[in-house]
Amino acid sequence: AQSVAQPEDQVNVAEGNPLTVKCTYSVSGNPYLFWYVQYPNRGLQFLLKYITGDNLVKGSYGFEAEFNKSQTSFHLKKPSALVSDSALYFCAVRVAYGQNFVFGPGTRLSVLP
Amino acid sequence: NAGVMQNPRHLVRRRGQEARLRCSPMKGHSHVYWYRQLPEEGLKFMVYLQKENIIDESGMPKERFSAEFPKEGPSILRIQQVVRGDSAAYFCASSPETGSSYEQYFGPGTRLTVT
Repeated sequence: AQSVAQPEDQVNVAEGNPLTVKCTYSVSGNPYLFWYVQYPNRGLQFLLKYITGDNLVKGSYGFEAEFNKSQTSFHLKKPSALVSDSALYFCAVRVAYGQNFVFGPGTRLSVLP
Repeated sequence: NAGVMQNPRHLVRRRGQEARLRCSPMKGHSHVYWYRQLPEEGLKFMVYLQKENIIDESGMPKERFSAEFPKEGPSILRIQQVVRGDSAAYFCASSPETGSSYEQYFGPGTRLTVT
């Protein structure tokens, strides 16, 4: 069965500092990996995805993520955090034959001014 | 291009009533997915539909819940005889094609409160 873990419920970072939101996955096939962000009382917004190719993928709003097959991880990163990045971040996985996402429990990011 | 539309945004029902949640996918999208989000939790897959077909309903409770995506009109998620445990945010997503490499586009959600 597919599963996604986000080991940190909460991440706090000072504005201007680099941020990392961690994600590890477990699948029985080739993974397709996604990051979404959710602002309060809003739906999820797509940030980026890894399908194949370069392990470092760049997405919206300056975010990037690195796929590491040996560690089964797909951590989300940003070089310089903004207060407006404060939100709930979800990692999700699909396998090549699947249709629905399996989401992680979410990590709440707080960027402090 | 309008995004995924969901209505109502907020819905209050008494125990035992029916809840109807509507989702209009993005223009040109023929694949619709429903997810449920409990407070402080991630999204859980419920059902995947194409026009007039249910493709995968493995995440949907066997009783009281049903979904449809008719040839014309929005997709409907129906919950009969609601109970307090049904209180959650229900999100609809759509995608233009089938295939695991495609991201899904999410609507703003319907927040159901059962009193």
